Amino acid sequence: QVQVQESGPGLVKSSETLSLTCTVSGGSISSSLHYWGWIRQSPGKGLEWIGSIYYSGKTYHNESLKSRVTISVDTSKSQFSLKLNFLTAADTAVYYCARHSGFVTGLLGPVDIWGQGTMVNVSS
Amino acid sequence: QLVVTQSPSASASLGASVKLTCTLSSGHNNYAIAWHQQRPARGPRFLMRLNSDGSHTKGDGIPERFSGSSSGADRYLTISSLQSEDEADYFCQTWTTGTLVFGGGTTLTVL
Repeated sequence: QVQVQESGPGLVKSSETLSLTCTVSGGSISSSLHYWGWIRQSPGKGLEWIGSIYYSGKTYHNESLKSRVTISVDTSKSQFSLKLNFLTAADTAVYYCARHSGFVTGLLGPVDIWGQGTMVNVSS
Repeated sequence: QLVVTQSPSASASLGASVKLTCTLSSGHNNYAIAWHQQRPARGPRFLMRLNSDGSHTKGDGIPERFSGSSSGADRYLTISSLQSEDEADYFCQTWTTGTLVFGGGTTLTVL
């Protein structure tokens, strides 16, 4: 079955850029019925959607983070990536990559596959 | 604005049933949601998609003890025959064009 796995640094410095990659296995990242998303969870808090990408490169972002977020996809490597710049302590969180339903029209859907998550600490 | 609201906590006894609620914001009564479970120190797991008519589609391997239902703007997750492993946070999630939205989660304690 389809699995997703995050990779990236566990510690980054304040004001710098976080770069994370998610590798998709067991299925095609080029599915026309799915988007690939990033979701984070600050310590002791709930889930916050960061943004999602379609295999064609079409992206959607949480408006509150949009100015600092870049999401890209490399279908040849079955990977998609997150860049979050101008980091602050508030960006310390577990970052999850995930698969969710969606159509080229932009109507999204439920997350049905989650990665294990990767903890990112932002240090001053 | 599309928002989903959950009570912060719930509790029920081992072997009993519990019904968790996720409420959609005004004007969004016909929206579907998804329920996700997050056990302590684990990543979330998709439980089911729940439609406004109460029909639901569960994820792979989700026990029959987990079921969903709907009434108006409320979406419910019922867990029967509670087991200790059901102690977890439960999040609801909804969506629209270009946006995913998560509820704040309900922490379920199994007594």
